[in-house]
Amino acid sequence: SQKIEQNSEALNIQEGKTATLTCNYTNYSPAYLQWYRQDPGRGPVFLLLIRENEKEKRKERLKVTFDTTLKQSLFHITASQPADSATYLCALVTGNQFYFGTGTSLTVIP
Amino acid sequence: ETGVTQTPRHLVMGMTNKKSLKCEQHLGHNAMYWYKQSAKKPLELMFVYSLEERVENNSVPSRFSPECPNSSHLFLHLHTLQPEDSALYLCASSQEGRRDQPQHFGDGTRLSIL
Repeated sequence: SQKIEQNSEALNIQEGKTATLTCNYTNYSPAYLQWYRQDPGRGPVFLLLIRENEKEKRKERLKVTFDTTLKQSLFHITASQPADSATYLCALVTGNQFYFGTGTSLTVIP
Repeated sequence: ETGVTQTPRHLVMGMTNKKSLKCEQHLGHNAMYWYKQSAKKPLELMFVYSLEERVENNSVPSRFSPECPNSSHLFLHLHTLQPEDSALYLCASSQEGRRDQPQHFGDGTRLSIL
């Protein structure tokens, strides 16, 4: 069956450190992979997109990698801040479908 | 982000009630979506409308009935719901045919079934 797993339900890190979130998938061949941020009581907000033929994408303190051999994407937040605390969702895009993971709740401790 | 607006933000209803959720997008998109988000579960795609026609219906019970009168508005009509239907219902929009573009979400309607 098709499956998307995001590393852990919750991740706590110290302010200033790099947070690394994982998205693993099976039985998909996604053309794109997207990362979203969701705050409590709000809808997901798009952060970054990476294509299947791209290895890495950066935007300010954010970096996404995409390894189609390992079927894995890593999402990094460098110099993390308490304001980065939120739930982060990965989404695979294949065909005309979006498939979302369950999300990882990140808490950055001051 | 105010591009996609959902009303109401919170809704409490009994199992025998009939209510409707509303979604409006101001982004000029031509595809709209309804998702269900339950605790500790991935977003579940319920319905997809492209150019005002329903193109996806993911085995959703008939007690949920979508309506898309135009490309800017989407409704989800609810009747005879069950307690397990309590969840956050999210509306999203995107540009049809552009898989490299993100979906834009509203802030959802928190639905509680008594």
